[in-house]
Amino acid sequence: DTEVTQTPKHLVMGMTNKKSLKCEQHMGHRAMYWYKQKAKKPPELMFVYSYEKLSINESVPSRFSPECPNSSLLNLHLHALQPEDSALYLCASSLDRVGNEKLFFGSGTQLSVL
Amino acid sequence: AQKVTQAQTEISVVEKEDVTLDCVYETRDTTYYLFWYKQPPSGELVFLIRRNSFDEQNEISGRYSWNFQKSTSSFNFTITASQVVDSAVYFCALSEAHGSGNTGKLIFGQGTTLQVKP
Repeated sequence: DTEVTQTPKHLVMGMTNKKSLKCEQHMGHRAMYWYKQKAKKPPELMFVYSYEKLSINESVPSRFSPECPNSSLLNLHLHALQPEDSALYLCASSLDRVGNEKLFFGSGTQLSVL
Repeated sequence: AQKVTQAQTEISVVEKEDVTLDCVYETRDTTYYLFWYKQPPSGELVFLIRRNSFDEQNEISGRYSWNFQKSTSSFNFTITASQVVDSAVYFCALSEAHGSGNTGKLIFGQGTTLQVKP
């Protein structure tokens, strides 16, 4: 199984809603990532978990709250988002958090904030 | 500072043409890694190749080939006999080596949108 599965594929939410994005992998990878991608732009790193601990937070606003319940799961909790947070949210995993590891990406959650 | 430049924003070719996607990078590190990823319309980024800074051998994989030249800080990607299924956004990326405080973070270029017409 070489897949990273993300749910939901599409999400529309209001600015007062609370929602969560989910990501799952069963490749035994110990590093998991959240990226944000706006249209026609490259992915931007948000968070990195290594061995279930948050190792990188790229100064992301607190309305985005990551969680890694176990080595296979990664969540992104959303609260009080702004319309400019509308984007494709990509989850990725790698064997370890080192620079030479290739990333396996999910197909993303397309988020629209109204 | 690290930087990746993909000067070609969009390229359009007709099927069976060869096409080269350019990538130029900047880094002060002596050890680093370069990657190419493909993002088809479905959204997920797909890993294509990884090259470390000590390995300047060119690589060929089927219709894909990569030319790494440290002297010009370039890591170009050529698709031979392009096909409609090659239509996608292609990202070049640079990563620091982990250790000595480096994060291993990927620095992406802006991407090149390739359209292959039948």
